[in-house]
Amino acid sequence: NAGVTQTPKFRILKIGQSMTLQCTQDMNHNYMYWYRQDPGMGLKLIYYSVGAGITDKGEVPNGYNVSRSTTEDFPLRLELAAPSQTSVYFCASSRTGPARTDTQYFGPGTRLTVL
Amino acid sequence: GDSVTQMEGPVTLSEEAFLTINCTYTATGYPSLFWYVQYPGEGLQLLLKATKADDKGSNKGFEATYRKETTSFHLEKGSVQVSDSAVYFCALSPNAGGTSYGKLTFGQGTILTVHP
Repeated sequence: NAGVTQTPKFRILKIGQSMTLQCTQDMNHNYMYWYRQDPGMGLKLIYYSVGAGITDKGEVPNGYNVSRSTTEDFPLRLELAAPSQTSVYFCASSRTGPARTDTQYFGPGTRLTVL
Repeated sequence: GDSVTQMEGPVTLSEEAFLTINCTYTATGYPSLFWYVQYPGEGLQLLLKATKADDKGSNKGFEATYRKETTSFHLEKGSVQVSDSAVYFCALSPNAGGTSYGKLTFGQGTILTVHP
């Protein structure tokens, strides 16, 4: 049972390039989330998904896109990378949303630098 | 909107010292409250949680009590160890029935360093 896995661990992009951050969970969780963590700040929600085929915007969605074609995978797409997207990105999953006390399980993160 | 405020860090303590990290929140209704811990190079892990007023969450010697009257959820540990060195995040999840349940709002994090 690997939990939540993310690839890559590190990446450097040039301004204007694009990339996809991969996230996979093997716990059969319905809910999945993408957060970004800036230095000295808490995590901010980018997008979330309540199940395959259903996604919605979080607090800071601009410059990102997501898709959820399977329960397991929730990739995050960066189009036209900008220096403001330099951050650490965390993917998380939880069993279900209505049970509001459900724990969110986090991946190890992807450290992205845009130069 | 919802918000979480944590005490400014970093916090540096000697081993076996008493730890308090303050956390206050702003939210409507009765949110659930959480403490997450992030060890160096790792993702966040749930440390403890409380779902209603006066609940006490506890785990690994850490405790926090949900205080509705002061909108607080302070983290405490009686005797810290070097292995407790990490970043600690307070977070809240809105009450069930709203459209945003399951989504966490985080504080800015507090860096704890424990020296032998």
